[in-house]
Amino acid sequence: DTGVSQDPRHKITKRGQNVTFRCDPISEHNRLYWYRQTLGQGPEFLTYFQNEAQLEKSRLLSDRFSAERPKGSFSTLEIQRTEQGDSAMYLCASSPLQGGETQYFGPGTRLLVL
Amino acid sequence: KQEVTQIPAALSVPEGENLVLNCSFTDSAIYNLQWFRQDPGKGLTSLLLIQSSQREQTSGRLNASLDKSSGRSTLYIAASQPGDSATYLCAAEILTGGGNKLTFGTGTQLKVEL
Repeated sequence: DTGVSQDPRHKITKRGQNVTFRCDPISEHNRLYWYRQTLGQGPEFLTYFQNEAQLEKSRLLSDRFSAERPKGSFSTLEIQRTEQGDSAMYLCASSPLQGGETQYFGPGTRLLVL
Repeated sequence: KQEVTQIPAALSVPEGENLVLNCSFTDSAIYNLQWFRQDPGKGLTSLLLIQSSQREQTSGRLNASLDKSSGRSTLYIAASQPGDSATYLCAAEILTGGGNKLTFGTGTQLKVEL
């Protein structure tokens, strides 16, 4: 295990379609985060899991977005009825439970909604 | 609400020059301050993490300082190299109910020319 992995790396979809992204964190990292990054901006926090519990959701996460982390391992982020404004890089990060540790980021999934 | 600002937005320097990147944040109640590097189309790589009780951290040619009272952090890069060309992001970490999250600046895009 060399780091956080995300799949797919790129996704092109048509407006109105549903998409699902997967994130595999570093083994034994209890915390998992999702961020969204648009061109020329820094990443923005979307949601956070500690083990399987989703502890916080940003107001950026509309009702069309849902995230899960079954069994506290990998996580999925689903976007229903995609809109052109959803086009962005979706980044996943993980960190250990103890404080003072950095978050380790995956390579991201770039989504383009046509 | 925490807001993070980075100046300058872009910087171009000749190889070998020493340079300083600036980051400011509005809420001094941070858990830590982190600097990341992002190459085009890629995820983030952690460079330095400064705990709220610390004043600076060093790694190789990189030195980051933190002044919580003034809401500022700087990243100093010594003897810059073309391989340092990337976008540099600072992020303030705050503790939320049950977890923590990063608030990012918009980044400084650095180009080091031969």
